[in-house]
Amino acid sequence: DSGVTQTPKHLITATGQRVTLRCSPRSGDLSVYWYQQSLDQGLQFLIQYYNGEERAKGNILERFSAQQFPDLHSELNLSSLELGDSALYFCASTRTGEGNTIYFGEGSWLTVV
Amino acid sequence: GQQVMQIPQYQHVQEGEDFTTYCNSSTTLSNIQWYKQRPGGHPVFLIQLVKSGEVKKQKRLTFQFGEAKKNSSLHITATQTTDVGTYFCAGKENTGFQKLVFGTGTRLLVSP
Repeated sequence: DSGVTQTPKHLITATGQRVTLRCSPRSGDLSVYWYQQSLDQGLQFLIQYYNGEERAKGNILERFSAQQFPDLHSELNLSSLELGDSALYFCASTRTGEGNTIYFGEGSWLTVV
Repeated sequence: GQQVMQIPQYQHVQEGEDFTTYCNSSTTLSNIQWYKQRPGGHPVFLIQLVKSGEVKKQKRLTFQFGEAKKNSSLHITATQTTDVGTYFCAGKENTGFQKLVFGTGTRLLVSP
């Protein structure tokens, strides 16, 4: 158990819909990362937050947005969903974000039908 | 932007054979990390290398960081079926507050 909690574990939704994925980082970790992993693909970095502020942005679509709340949990919002958005979405956390080891949650499986 | 490539993309070995995956970055890295993702699981941290030319061992696993800090390798001696999974390197650029960029991954299959 990495200490990073993600909900929901599985989600099936229709095209055009909007979903929110939630992440609670490890206790004491200030930085949260979101990654997307499509079937048999690598880890695509989406976005990073540090203590409530956006620190780095990757290949995140405009239809996607994220935020980190004062209690440090984070949410990833995916809207106008398309079939190609079906993937495993990982949240990860680290103490400060400065090249430290990052700890991954078990991921949220999103299937868009 | 920074790119991290790994080769091979996939390798299938017989149990007992050795295995090596190579990681190459387009930019100089401040450190390199290695993660293992078992099938159906999430990436799990294995090790971090920081110094140029650094070599670290974990039982049958040997990790190296290149002299120029742009490449790294993971070598597994005498593979076991428990080594099955995808191995990712992840590098952080040597400038500023940068995201950790994951390599493309090498998927290892070990047959008994």
